[in-house]
Amino acid sequence: GAVVSQHPSWVICKSGTSVKIECRSLDFQATTMFWYRQFPKQSLMLMATSNEGSKATYEQGVEKDKFLINHASLTLSTLTVTSAHPEDSSFYICSATRREQFFGPGTRLTVL
Amino acid sequence: KNQVEQSPQSLIILEGKNCTLQCNYTVSPFSNLRWYKQDTGRGPVSLTIMTFSENTKSNGRYTATLDADTKQSSLHITASQLSDSASYICVVSATTGTASKLTFGTGTRLQVTL
Repeated sequence: GAVVSQHPSWVICKSGTSVKIECRSLDFQATTMFWYRQFPKQSLMLMATSNEGSKATYEQGVEKDKFLINHASLTLSTLTVTSAHPEDSSFYICSATRREQFFGPGTRLTVL
Repeated sequence: KNQVEQSPQSLIILEGKNCTLQCNYTVSPFSNLRWYKQDTGRGPVSLTIMTFSENTKSNGRYTATLDADTKQSSLHITASQLSDSASYICVVSATTGTASKLTFGTGTRLQVTL
């Protein structure tokens, strides 16, 4: 149990386009989901905390208008990177909480 | 400021050998400490989780220790295998009321070679 999936696993897009990443808890309901970003050889950096049915809480320095988070149900949260630029290229990981955090497999975003 | 420091930053060992990874933390109020394994291009997978009262916990060839007094933890890998090559991340949780916040270490990159 406690499986978290992400889709897509990787995506390449042109600069200026928007990209949506989905995070699903497959076998449990998650009131809270988290979104992280990880640059090469660095650890995970929390971007935002997503609570079902309410607005996400963003960490300092993370632009909420650029990284749109929607947590429409107890099993799905989405992160949309709007007007993506090459510096947004990174590995994005979500996690869902059921007594502890379970991480998704990550999404590799490359912006050309 | 909550911090988690790991050492060494990277490590290369021969297959079959043992190794120990270190984690020092300054996180308050301490709730629990977890070790994760992260394969390249994948999300972290939990290996062990320890609360304040637990000194050691094993998961197969992985054994984690916790010294809450000195705020140190270690992860010992026995009889390493090529598949152990990954980053190992120490994560400490602080809980205030009903809210928990994780502080991540920068990880130790382990490479197991023939």
